[in-house]
Amino acid sequence: DTAVSQTPKYLVTQMGNDKSIKCEQNLGHDTMYWYKQDSKKFLKIMFSYNNKELIINETVPNRFSPKSPDKAHLNLHINSLELGDSAVYFCASSQLGLADWSSYEQYFGPGTRLTVT
Amino acid sequence: AQKITQTQPGMFVQEKEAVTLDCTYDTSDQSYGLFWYKQPSSGEMIFLIYQGSYDEQNATEGRYSLNFQKARKSANLVISASQLGDSAMYFCAMREISNFGNEKLTFGTGTRLTIIP
Repeated sequence: DTAVSQTPKYLVTQMGNDKSIKCEQNLGHDTMYWYKQDSKKFLKIMFSYNNKELIINETVPNRFSPKSPDKAHLNLHINSLELGDSAVYFCASSQLGLADWSSYEQYFGPGTRLTVT
Repeated sequence: AQKITQTQPGMFVQEKEAVTLDCTYDTSDQSYGLFWYKQPSSGEMIFLIYQGSYDEQNATEGRYSLNFQKARKSANLVISASQLGDSAMYFCAMREISNFGNEKLTFGTGTRLTIIP
């Protein structure tokens, strides 16, 4: 069973288009994230949602809009795509357990490689 | 300011030898967590090991161990008896939680490890 799934795995599109990436987790976790990994492999958090509420927005352009219809899903919609948006986007989830730090592990999806031409 | 520093962009190690991947971090929090993730060429992010700031013993998971030196703010990953399948990018990451319960995982720039047969 796939714990965190993303669709599509590859996305090639032209500048100016609007696209969405979907993410689903079947782990029952409360918190979900979107990360961007650039061409130099640097991973940076974009958003964090806890129980469908936005917790972290790391100075991401407002062309990026996350949407969480329920706590198992966190989709990423990108408007007016630009060349610089080309990257691998990872979804992740975790169960924030303040009482048990060892249970924190973030589970990552397989990634979506977005190429903007 | 860089919160997680991995000073080795690339390493080459002979198969069956042990290898240490360096990671230093910067935080003023008392409670934090440190992670290592592996990213093979296939792209997925694989959790390897976790160390909590209050853990008195170094974490170990099979061939992986974390050399945690709190006073020096270092959390080096040690892989014993390296195998060809260990060739991958390795990321060190730190978990921080704010007073409001917001959590964030900050990644280092990664080390590309290549195991030589």
